[in-house]
Amino acid sequence: AQTVTQSQPEMSVQEAETVTLSCTYDTSESDYYLFWYKQPPSRQMILVIRQEAYKQQNATENRFSVNFQKAAKSFSLKISDSQLGDAAMYFCAYRGNGGSQGNLIFGKGTKLSVKP
Amino acid sequence: EAQVTQNPRYLITVTGKKLTVTCSQNMNHEYMSWYRQDPGLGLRQIYYSMNVEVTDKGDVPEGYKVSRKEKRNFPLILESPSPNQTSLYFCASSPLGQGDAKEQYFGPGTRLTVT
Repeated sequence: AQTVTQSQPEMSVQEAETVTLSCTYDTSESDYYLFWYKQPPSRQMILVIRQEAYKQQNATENRFSVNFQKAAKSFSLKISDSQLGDAAMYFCAYRGNGGSQGNLIFGKGTKLSVKP
Repeated sequence: EAQVTQNPRYLITVTGKKLTVTCSQNMNHEYMSWYRQDPGLGLRQIYYSMNVEVTDKGDVPEGYKVSRKEKRNFPLILESPSPNQTSLYFCASSPLGQGDAKEQYFGPGTRLTVT
């Protein structure tokens, strides 16, 4: 079974600085997708960024980028120029492309605080 | 506007009183799913559906039922709620099929308290 591990329950960053959130996963599949979701205090789940495993190029969305290391099964999220609005829970998630291709497997989350 | 709606958003109930949380999506998605979120545990899947009349258990199905009679609706039923089902519940939907990564669209969440 696939698993997703976020080893940092909490992280803190100074406003305008850069922070990296870690995520590792375990799978025997070769074709899959990885996601980072943000959950602000409103509790809404917001997609931050996605990565297709077959793409070697790391995904980037404005100030958010990932470091995808397929062989190491690592998928970290880098937030540049951190803003107060980035404070939230961040969840790493895995979706396979097999029989239950819709199912998302989540890590336990990392709570990010941004200091002014 | 493309969205997933859930009702109610907040619910306080008593042990054993049957309840239903509704979920509806307007994006014609085949796939729908229910998750519960508990502190320190992340989101765990309860049930999912690949299409109308096709449902299957997720990781924590005990104490829950679902049905998928229409493509847009996927209600979550608690026949006899217990305090350990106090949680934040999310419904989500996504298209299926090969191709680009299909993100899941989440509803706003339902905060359930069972006393």
